[in-house]
Amino acid sequence: SQQGEEDPQALSIQEGENATMNCSYKTSINNLQWYRQNSGRGLVHLILIRSNEREKHSGRLRVTLDTSKKSSSLLITASRAADTASYFCATDPYTGANSKLTFGKGITLSVRP
Amino acid sequence: DGGITQSPKYLFRKEGQNVTLSCEQNLNHDAMYWYRQDPGQGLRLIYYSQIVNDFQKGDIAEGYSVSREKKESFPLTVTSAQKNPTAFYLCASKRQGGNYGYTFGSGTRLTVV
Repeated sequence: SQQGEEDPQALSIQEGENATMNCSYKTSINNLQWYRQNSGRGLVHLILIRSNEREKHSGRLRVTLDTSKKSSSLLITASRAADTASYFCATDPYTGANSKLTFGKGITLSVRP
Repeated sequence: DGGITQSPKYLFRKEGQNVTLSCEQNLNHDAMYWYRQDPGQGLRLIYYSQIVNDFQKGDIAEGYSVSREKKESFPLTVTSAQKNPTAFYLCASKRQGGNYGYTFGSGTRLTVV
């Protein structure tokens, strides 16, 4: 079952612009995570935000979480051509030993040089 | 360097054959996971294991089997009962005991011929 729904499904921007991607989910979570996938490769973990956090930063990434709206956003600032990839949000209802991530369908980001 | 190794990278299966996908990690992670990725559907959980000699079914376990005899290894067998096995298979592991991201392998692309 798909828990996260990303929006938009595809995004095309110019290098240097900011990219904003959104994720909505349905059930309660312990944490929400964002991953990047380059074509034909495995996923790379970008950032994790816990349910009691509202905002988190990592380099050019900014993630927000609104548990009342069951939504999250990922902002990539000053985008680069190398940011071209698919981005997935994933939710985990549990912590520790019971962790089990459920992924959305992903957003395809194209950054034009 | 620590990481997850999946092999082979490409695998071709004839109708009625069982095939086994390998997943090995040297990260000393307790939890390991198998996901299936189809175009436009994101990742779906097949099986997961939180500890050696124990594993649980995910959302789409039918037609698959796993074993967890060693902490480092979590092989996935795609049996002839799986009617539509052509997909990209991803193995992941996670450090136990808290809010951590998953580490993914580079995937195995399975094609039925």
